[in-house]
Amino acid sequence: SAVISQKPSRDICQRGTSLTIQCQVDSQVTMMFWYRQQPGQSLTLIATANQGSEATYESGFVIDKFPISRPNLTFSTLTVSNMSPEDSSIYLCSVARVTEGSGYGYTFGSGTRLTVV
Amino acid sequence: QKEVEQNSGPLSVPEGAIASLNCTYSDRGSQSFFWYRQYSGKSPELIMFIYSNGDKEDGRFTAQLNKASQYVSLLIRDSQPSDSATYLCAVPGASGTYKYIFGTGTRLKVLA
Repeated sequence: SAVISQKPSRDICQRGTSLTIQCQVDSQVTMMFWYRQQPGQSLTLIATANQGSEATYESGFVIDKFPISRPNLTFSTLTVSNMSPEDSSIYLCSVARVTEGSGYGYTFGSGTRLTVV
Repeated sequence: QKEVEQNSGPLSVPEGAIASLNCTYSDRGSQSFFWYRQYSGKSPELIMFIYSNGDKEDGRFTAQLNKASQYVSLLIRDSQPSDSATYLCAVPGASGTYKYIFGTGTRLKVLA
């Protein structure tokens, strides 16, 4: 399975600022995914990043708040803009591989633990 | 609204026992199901998937799927303290897509 490097691993940011999270995959992948995991909560898909096209955002997430870049098939960034304490969360990038039965198993990066103060 | 439900736990079992983790889902059309293990402070790791009714075994892990009753289970035999983690169930958000809905996870504690 793919190996994903994600950075930074953690950060403490002031409200109103922005943070860009980077995700590097060791192989070319068509789709990359960005998830959020708030304290005590499960994983929520923010958006799907496709190379060469605009990211597809899930309900409740907008491009102005979470701009995504996907310049090539191995790299993506997620920016958390104009941060507030409610953005404190773990942010995860992931890639999917097709499994038997036509399912998609995810491999996750190590995550970015963001605290907004 | 598709839902995935798991008992948050913690589920405590003694070392060497069988740990049984359950997950129910609302969408009858769901096809493939995944179990992820997440250690504290780490990202989720895929450990099992199942798409056919019945049991699927992989080492000490057995996934069980019952589509009629809409539940999927994960059994861990000979539980070890290193199995202590949160186990997340993931169900397809829509048939044939890569989008999955994750349960909130069950925290397992294996007592030495």
